[in-house]
Amino acid sequence: EADIYQTPRYLVIGTGKKITLECSQTMGHDKMYWYQQDPGMELHLIHYSYGVNSTEKGDLSSESTVSRIRTEHFPLTLESARPSHTSQYLCASSGAAGGITDTQYFGPGTRLTVL
Amino acid sequence: GDSVTQMEGPVTLSEEAFLTINCTYTATGYPSLFWYVQYPGEGLQLLLKATKADDKGSNKGFEATYRKETTSFHLEKGSVQVSDSAVYFCALNSARQLTFGSGTQLTVLP
Repeated sequence: EADIYQTPRYLVIGTGKKITLECSQTMGHDKMYWYQQDPGMELHLIHYSYGVNSTEKGDLSSESTVSRIRTEHFPLTLESARPSHTSQYLCASSGAAGGITDTQYFGPGTRLTVL
Repeated sequence: GDSVTQMEGPVTLSEEAFLTINCTYTATGYPSLFWYVQYPGEGLQLLLKATKADDKGSNKGFEATYRKETTSFHLEKGSVQVSDSAVYFCALNSARQLTFGSGTQLTVLP
């Protein structure tokens, strides 16, 4: 059983609010990821990190930002939420150093609704 | 670039029916292949994986064989249960990232 946590699980907020979605893992994994999952189920990588102080944008352009100050923590921030940000956000981590056989472990997700 | 093509859903089966969900891929090099499952309201869970050609991954009665010659990794189960109702994602890992298929919704009726 993977130990990766996301809070909150559900969030409903108004337009223009700043929000931070939390993601933590206790497995000591060096790599962490954020995915956005649209209602059609497809997953899109929006951010990833290969270690502390390393962050990169993913395939899907996103107005969110991330930080990686500690190995176990990878929060995602939206400075000004809009209805177009309504989605499910999934955090994941993986641990094999440099190999291509990494298995990614996923958190339970945060379902965000922006009114 | 790398890509994964999954059988489109939704798929509806009766309990104890045989399941196949097709997955083919395009990739440079020798990727690892995965099947993930997502139950309602949850994140993705690793179902099974295979790291090289002809490997068979298996878990909870599900199986998939890494076929390099046909670039496929089809998911099969001999007898599905209502509890198998979920969304199934095929994925490949290369260049240190996962590339997912679009997901296949499976509903199993009692």
